[in-house]
Amino acid sequence: SQTIHQWPATLVQPVGSPLSLECTVEGTSNPNLYWYRQAAGRGLQLLFYSVGIGQISSEVPQNLSASRPQDRQFILSSKKLLLSDSGFYLCAWSAGQGVREAFFGQGTRLTVV
Amino acid sequence: GESVGLHLPTLSVQEGDNSIINCAYSNSASDYFIWYKQESGKGPQFIIDIRSNMDKRQGQRVTVLLNKTVKHLSLQIAATQPGDSAVYFCAEILNAGNMLTFGGGTRLMVKP
Repeated sequence: SQTIHQWPATLVQPVGSPLSLECTVEGTSNPNLYWYRQAAGRGLQLLFYSVGIGQISSEVPQNLSASRPQDRQFILSSKKLLLSDSGFYLCAWSAGQGVREAFFGQGTRLTVV
Repeated sequence: GESVGLHLPTLSVQEGDNSIINCAYSNSASDYFIWYKQESGKGPQFIIDIRSNMDKRQGQRVTVLLNKTVKHLSLQIAATQPGDSAVYFCAEILNAGNMLTFGGGTRLMVKP
């Protein structure tokens, strides 16, 4: 069966510090991978999605970046965090090509102080 | 989209009543529309989807209606239960089926 792992679950980082959130998927190959951000009490904003290794599509210009060094690994990074980067970050995968069901990780609650 | 920055509206219903959650979309090129349920502190979970060439689809206790004329999507939950309390998001598939974007959400609160 397929599983998705996302860590850490919670993170408190000072302004200006770097960020690295990791997401891995098991039990499937060549998945579509997604990073979303959710502010408290609000909707899900698509940040990045990837249809293959090294292929990253950015939906929102900001100080975040994403990389996909391996087929089932998706990393969200920042060189210098801003206060506005605080939020609930969710990684997800789907089989792609019109498959409608996406599976989400447990999320990382990031607080920038 | 614009909806991600807005506070979520709340729908409060009595246990056992039917719930109707609405969503407006803007992109006519979507192939599928999907409803997700998100419980507190968790990631969203798939509920039901509908292809863009359909206007109604039924699942277990849920029905999704699609009105392409007015670009409106709704989720109907029959006999709402306390376990249905969550935030419900509509979503759509774009870009040849590779991009999943979420629209506005609604917080459903079920009163016992």
